[in-house]
Amino acid sequence: KAGVTQTPRYLIKTRGQQVTLSCSPISGHRSVSWYQQTPGQGLQFLFEYFSETQRNKGNFPGRFSGRQFSNSRSEMNVSTLELGDSALYLCASTRTDSYEQYFGPGTRLTVT
Amino acid sequence: AQSVTQLGSHVSVSEGALVLLRCNYSSSVPPYLFWYVQYPNQGLQLLLKYTSAATLVKGINDFEAEFKKSETSFHLTKPSAHMSDAAEYFCAVSDSGAGSYQLTFGKGTKLSVIP
Repeated sequence: KAGVTQTPRYLIKTRGQQVTLSCSPISGHRSVSWYQQTPGQGLQFLFEYFSETQRNKGNFPGRFSGRQFSNSRSEMNVSTLELGDSALYLCASTRTDSYEQYFGPGTRLTVT
Repeated sequence: AQSVTQLGSHVSVSEGALVLLRCNYSSSVPPYLFWYVQYPNQGLQLLLKYTSAATLVKGINDFEAEFKKSETSFHLTKPSAHMSDAAEYFCAVSDSGAGSYQLTFGKGTKLSVIP
């Protein structure tokens, strides 16, 4: 079974721009969660989608948004990028019968 | 609110020695607990999980962890460290009753293995 895939793997953007990251979960997994990882703040929960509905959201500004499609693929968008948005963005899909979350390799976003 | 504390941001052990990485959690409901490992420039790999079955949980690569409710701990151990175990380890908690799979992570412990 293929793992969680994330595209692109690396991105460089300029302050003020916007960015869209994509995540394809493991086949059959209906829940997708997003996390931001930085050296200073560690791993922080962004949001979770289940069957196309946002079920939970972390403490991030409204510039961070996401969505999930009917095939469970998910995208997250960050508008008006700030330098502090530079981070590794991790997507995880959950096997709902076991609560096991499987992570993708991440998208490394650098904002200059 | 849940929280996770990992004692020691860096731990060094000799190859072949016991690995012990500490994790304490705070949760108002019975928790689900996880250990993940992250190698440089990679995502997180699930090592093991506790979901209210056996308190001693065995995972991949000879890692195991014991859930101790009285101590609110979930420490990770491995009898004999290998060079390939050098990585960063994260303990995480999930609220079993929240209807969400959100994980709350500790700050991580970087494990170095000395030859």
